[in-house]
Amino acid sequence: AQKVTQAQTEISVVEKEDVTLDCVYETRDTTYYLFWYKQPPSGELVFLIRRNSFDEQNEISGRYSWNFQKSTSSFNFTITASQVVDSAVYFCALSEATGGFKTIFGAGTRLFVKA
Amino acid sequence: DVKVTQSSRYLVKRTGEKVFLECVQDMDHENMFWYRQDPGLGLRLIYFSYDVKMKEKGDIPEGYSVSREKKERFSLILESASTNQTSMYLCASRLGRGQNEAFFGQGTRLTVV
Repeated sequence: AQKVTQAQTEISVVEKEDVTLDCVYETRDTTYYLFWYKQPPSGELVFLIRRNSFDEQNEISGRYSWNFQKSTSSFNFTITASQVVDSAVYFCALSEATGGFKTIFGAGTRLFVKA
Repeated sequence: DVKVTQSSRYLVKRTGEKVFLECVQDMDHENMFWYRQDPGLGLRLIYFSYDVKMKEKGDIPEGYSVSREKKERFSLILESASTNQTSMYLCASRLGRGQNEAFFGQGTRLTVV
């Protein structure tokens, strides 16, 4: 069965600090996809990034970077030089072939960035 | 621009009422989902549908049913609302298989009194 664990419930940082959000997943499939979504205070979830199980290459997009390691079943998300606008709830999600590619989410990490 | 629209932003219903939550997407997506979001529990999948008239149970289907008569519309039904169904309900749609991202509606905050 698939499972996503985000152990950090809340993180509070001061603006310009770097912060890493952890995500650990469980799956028996060899084909699966991992995602990060952002939920700002307005409430609507916004897609940030996708990774498939065959591509362990890390990715950087501006101040955001993602580290995918199959050996530790982790897909961590780092924000460099955080800004107040980064304050949101961040969700990690997993979609696997077994079960029709339904998407399962973690509990989320609430990030507070203080000015 | 892609859009998933949920019929209500806020709803207040009485215990025992039958409640319909409606979701419409304009992207011709095959897959649609209903989640509920509760503090500390994240998003939990209630039901999903991968085609018209097709549905699969998620992790917490008890007390809920769904209907998908048309591709663009996915309805969540609370047969007899209870106070423990007070929650934020999120609808999402997705093109094709699991490699694609989901698009979410703005959510419906349901309060059952």
